[in-house]
Amino acid sequence: DAKTTQPPSMDCAEGRAANLPCNNSTISGNEYVYWYRQIHSQGPQYIIHGLKNNETNEMASLIITEDRKSSTLILPHATLRDTAVYYCIVRGGGTYKYIFGTGTRLKVLA
Amino acid sequence: DGGITQSPKYLFRKEGQNVTLSCEQNLNHDAMYWYRQDPGQGLRLIYYSQIVNDFQKGDIAEGYSVSREKKESFPLTVTSAQKNPTAFYLCASSSGTANTGELFFGEGSRLTVL
Repeated sequence: DAKTTQPPSMDCAEGRAANLPCNNSTISGNEYVYWYRQIHSQGPQYIIHGLKNNETNEMASLIITEDRKSSTLILPHATLRDTAVYYCIVRGGGTYKYIFGTGTRLKVLA
Repeated sequence: DGGITQSPKYLFRKEGQNVTLSCEQNLNHDAMYWYRQDPGQGLRLIYYSQIVNDFQKGDIAEGYSVSREKKESFPLTVTSAQKNPTAFYLCASSSGTANTGELFFGEGSRLTVL
């Protein structure tokens, strides 16, 4: 199973872009990268996912390097409500198994 | 509304007692999951099930048991063999398809052993 590593914490000024990195050096060719966030004591919320192309939705953008060994989640204009723990996880393309990384605690500062 | 329902939200148990956490989904998802979360830590996979009457161990299955008799239900039993059961337990489901198989989570069950 591919494992992910993330910085334990980051700060970001309100209104600025938050760039959250994720390393997944053991990712295999058919494993998707998913991003979730968790606000204290709630169930994690889906943000975005991708395989090898960059992706964008109404919440965020996902940049995946060409070798797929790292990815970056971009929150373009962070707000105070984006303060949460962000998890980068991988899912085997042929399996249903999701492995969570350590997560990054993002604090958006006013 | 469609979603995942976990119960109870809070549960207290004495040492040596088994306890069962309920998880029900009405999303018609094939796959269901149980995760454990300790304070300040990430999520660790306990068990998962890809289809009815089938389930696999995750990374920390010891001291836990599950069943999957119905598509919509995936109860987790925390047995007395689990040495440190106090934690936040999260149930999730997914459609299991390749491109849209994101996890949907319940609100969690917080278990405290007295």
